Amino acid sequence: ETGVTQTPRHLVMGMTNKKSLKCEQHLGHNAMYWYKQSAKKPLELMFVYSLEERVENNSVPSRFSPECPNSSHLFLHLHTLQPEDSALYLCASSQDPLAGAGANVLTFGAGSRLTVL
Amino acid sequence: AQKITQTQPGMFVQEKEAVTLDCTYDTSDQSYGLFWYKQPSSGEMIFLIYQGSYDEQNATEGRYSLNFQKARKSANLVISASQLGDSAMYFCAMRRSAGGGNKLTFGTGTQLKVEL
Repeated sequence: ETGVTQTPRHLVMGMTNKKSLKCEQHLGHNAMYWYKQSAKKPLELMFVYSLEERVENNSVPSRFSPECPNSSHLFLHLHTLQPEDSALYLCASSQDPLAGAGANVLTFGAGSRLTVL
Repeated sequence: AQKITQTQPGMFVQEKEAVTLDCTYDTSDQSYGLFWYKQPSSGEMIFLIYQGSYDEQNATEGRYSLNFQKARKSANLVISASQLGDSAMYFCAMRRSAGGGNKLTFGTGTQLKVEL
């Protein structure tokens, strides 16, 4: 496996369910990110982890709970979601978590398409 | 606050022709980075090209070039010799270079369709 892998690719859940999205990166990167992509809106940064420590939480509702057990894995735990949470959730990683100099490119996974009924 | 504007929700181009996708940005920072990503229907965001605000030359990567006009705050993507596989959503993004960490602000994207 190479790059950034996200599972599941598609998820349908009811508002009372609890589910988790998983992200795994095989690039040896030190930072991982969760982005939300809703229709006709710019990507929204949700969380940033640097070396397994959360460094950014962009006012995300508590029904989204991230977990980063190691530098290669990132989870997004979901519970009591709302229909407006339906979106594509993209995971990304980068070599350097904080430095803004140079390209320091974010490498994205293919996303998990979430539908909340 | 930073903002990215992509005014073209959709574009059509014929195969083998060149196409320009527009991007303007708003920032008060002197140092920043500009990115273009491609998102095919499969969902994955694919990095295409990067331009630093202090880079004197426009960035090029194969068939992709970035027409960077700092005074106009524009960073248009030029795709030469379009191919059917170029059909996708294209996103312009910006990152602060000082104190902002590695966080990108994205535009709303342009849907490009390449026709025979």
